[in-house]
Amino acid sequence: SQTIHQWPATLVQPVGSPLSLECTVEGTSNPNLYWYRQAAGRGLQLLFYSVGIGQISSEVPQNLSASRPQDRQFILSSKKLLLSDSGFYLCAWTPARGGIEKLFFGSGTQLSVL
Amino acid sequence: QKEVEQNSGPLSVPEGAIASLNCTYSDRGSQSFFWYRQYSGKSPELIMSIYSNGDKEDGRFTAQLNKASQYVSLLIRDSQPSDSATYLCAVNVADSSYKLIFGSGTRLLVRP
Repeated sequence: SQTIHQWPATLVQPVGSPLSLECTVEGTSNPNLYWYRQAAGRGLQLLFYSVGIGQISSEVPQNLSASRPQDRQFILSSKKLLLSDSGFYLCAWTPARGGIEKLFFGSGTQLSVL
Repeated sequence: QKEVEQNSGPLSVPEGAIASLNCTYSDRGSQSFFWYRQYSGKSPELIMSIYSNGDKEDGRFTAQLNKASQYVSLLIRDSQPSDSATYLCAVNVADSSYKLIFGSGTRLLVRP
């Protein structure tokens, strides 16, 4: 069966510090991978998605970036965090040949930028 | 800008009652509609999907879709305290296979 791992669960970072969040998927090949952010009391905002190694689509211009160095690994990064980067970050995946109808989320990272 | 609107709530219902959650969307080309449940501090989980006008039932849940009115709803029958959560409506973006637009969610509180 497929599983998605995301870490860390909680992170407190000072403004201006770097960020690296990692996500891996097991039990499937060539998944579509996503990073979402949920600000307090808000809906999920799609940040990045990837349909293959090295292929990244950015949805929102900001100081975040994403990379996919391996088929089942997706990384969210920032060189300098802003206060507005605080939120609940969720990695998600869909099967390669499936549409958005089967979107599975990781357990999330609660990021607080102070 | 494509949007999905939900009343933030909280919607408070007594145990055993029917909870009715509503959602409107702006993208007339959307074809896929989803309801996710999210417990506090947890990730969303898919509970219902609907693609055609009308009703779709799954256990205690019924999703209703009216594309002409751009309206989706979720009914929860025999509500239980364990149903207390935030319910997110999500709609696909018509010109993309990869994008969902999420509403901000309705918080449901089921009183014992």
